Amino acid sequence: GAVVSQHPSWVICKSGTSVKIECRSLDFQATTMFWYRQFPKQSLMLMATSNEGSKATYEQGVEKDKFLINHASLTLSTLTVTSAHPEDSSFYICSARDMASGRYEQYFGPGTRLTVT
Amino acid sequence: AQRVTQPEKLLSVFKGAPVELKCNYSYSGSPELFWYVQYSRQRLQLLLRHISRESIKGFTADLNKGETSFHLKKPFAQEEDSAMYYCALGSGGSNYKLTFGKGTLLTVNP
Repeated sequence: GAVVSQHPSWVICKSGTSVKIECRSLDFQATTMFWYRQFPKQSLMLMATSNEGSKATYEQGVEKDKFLINHASLTLSTLTVTSAHPEDSSFYICSARDMASGRYEQYFGPGTRLTVT
Repeated sequence: AQRVTQPEKLLSVFKGAPVELKCNYSYSGSPELFWYVQYSRQRLQLLLRHISRESIKGFTADLNKGETSFHLKKPFAQEEDSAMYYCALGSGGSNYKLTFGKGTLLTVNP
């Protein structure tokens, strides 16, 4: 089945630094990837939709200059949290759609736990 | 704007008992509804979608457009069903995205 990986699985960084999270579709091509944020014991909040070769579409209230998204290939999207602050600490999850299958199912990555100290 | 409501944050049943996880949605267009499940320490995975009209792991869900509901049901709960369940609404056409409910934590007691 379709597999999505994320790297790293967890990361600790100091306040003011930037951190990059990778999302890869391992056995299918994903023209569209999604980035979510999940707070403890809460639901997934869509941050942005990432389309290969074009700019990401951000949801209302998400700072595009803070959360940089790049989708340079059909199997890789990256989320860079710039100038991270403790309030950015969260669980970040990506998902990808296998457009070739003709289905709208999203396959989710295992998530990345970010802790900003 | 689309919205998904899962009124129960927690649901606890005994093994063998029927279980129903409620989901209501708000969307002006033609909705596509999903149930996702997240077992402890695992990633989110699709349980079922209304278009398929299938039963997965004994779970079924029927889309009721009149009541704007997509409740998840299982006649006899098992301990391994204990997990977090999210109802999601797919919408947007070319700008397709999923809107998730807040989730219901199901605990099936022995």
